[in-house]
Amino acid sequence: QSVLTQPPSVSGAPRQRVTISCSGSSSNIGNNAVNWYQQLPGKAPKLLIYYDDLLPSGISDRFSGSKSGTSASLAISGLQSEDEADYYCAAWDDSLRGWVFGGGTKLTVL
Amino acid sequence: EVQLVESGGGLVQPGGSLRLSCAASGFTVTDNYMNWVRQAPGKGLQWVSVLYSGGNTDYTDSVKGRFTISRDNSKNTVYLQMNSLRAEDTAVYYCARTMVQTSWFDPWGQGTLVTVSS
Repeated sequence: QSVLTQPPSVSGAPRQRVTISCSGSSSNIGNNAVNWYQQLPGKAPKLLIYYDDLLPSGISDRFSGSKSGTSASLAISGLQSEDEADYYCAAWDDSLRGWVFGGGTKLTVL
Repeated sequence: EVQLVESGGGLVQPGGSLRLSCAASGFTVTDNYMNWVRQAPGKGLQWVSVLYSGGNTDYTDSVKGRFTISRDNSKNTVYLQMNSLRAEDTAVYYCARTMVQTSWFDPWGQGTLVTVSS
């Protein structure tokens, strides 16, 4: 059971927009930055969004992040087949004194 | 180029030990927080341990007392010594950097597979 809660799967057609939610608590998302990672099949995770809504260099602006209270969201617009991957949210947890992850969301492009 | 390369994974019997290595290039491990994150087969990501720039360490509860994170400054390498291994420790282990006073993991290594089985 993951500390952060994500939907197991989402799907969308090419060129559509999808969102992935991430729910936590005051000890993690509510008090710390949320970061998102993309894991392509068979690959290592890669930083996608940091500090709630910032894009690392080289990441497409089709990806965006937001946070409100103890929840965060990742939005992907203009879906492409190459976006098919697992997506994870993560944050530092003040109570556990460690990083916590969501269970991951598998994105399928129809 | 900033890069992390893990090694040392393999098959080990329950109760056995293994030491993973993470060789860093393009930056200095002592100037950053260095982490180990694992992923059991078909499962999600789990943070395992961190070595802070000042030398302090933290561990997830399930590995406390069994795993030890350390570094060799001269080799710019971080290690994870894993003792008393259990079947549930079977996973791909990734090394990842966190820059000081930030909270994100970037970059990640390619991972090394640890299989605990008799």
